[in-house]
Amino acid sequence: DAGVTQSPTHLIKTRGQHVTLRCSPISGHKSVSWYQQVLGQGPQFIFQYYEKEERGRGNFPDRFSARQFPNYSSELNVNALLLGDSALYLCASSLVHTSTDTQYFGPGTRLTVL
Amino acid sequence: GQNIDQPTEMTATEGAIVQINCTYQTSGFNGLFWYQQHAGEAPTFLSYNVLDGLEEKGRFSSFLSRSKGYSYLLLKELQMKDSASYLCAVTPYGQNFVFGPGTRLSVLP
Repeated sequence: DAGVTQSPTHLIKTRGQHVTLRCSPISGHKSVSWYQQVLGQGPQFIFQYYEKEERGRGNFPDRFSARQFPNYSSELNVNALLLGDSALYLCASSLVHTSTDTQYFGPGTRLTVL
Repeated sequence: GQNIDQPTEMTATEGAIVQINCTYQTSGFNGLFWYQQHAGEAPTFLSYNVLDGLEEKGRFSSFLSRSKGYSYLLLKELQMKDSASYLCAVTPYGQNFVFGPGTRLSVLP
């Protein structure tokens, strides 16, 4: 069975640009969560979506947005990129959206902002 | 809010046993998770504790004490491939995962 997939693997952007990251969950999983992981730190929660609705939002500015599609895949958008947005962006899928549900992570997208 | 603490780095020898601690301050949570993350890769699920006590899974065991705000991950018969970061995460009531900073474990021959 395919795990969580993310694209692209790596991305280089300049300050002020915008970026779209994509995620496909494990088949049968209906919830997708996004995390930002800066080198040397644990993942920081950005968003959770379940059945196309936002179910949770972390402490990130409005430049960050996301959505979930009818096939449960998801996109994370970041506008007006800053140098500090350089990080590994992880997508995790789970069966449902409850906090007892194990989350399974994709390989991540490494974003570098120059 | 939640505050999760883990040692930054640990070193152990191949074949030994190592205990990685996680302490947290949160008013209430549903469960505590442990993930392993090799450098440059995604976190992979190791274990989940809801009730106090020890959960054993092969060479890996995880312990939780809610009254003491404390958990640990125990790795036995260490192998070189166990060199990785180990992340502790709690799921507070009504909230998503909150991860600790992670502990980088180096296993030496």
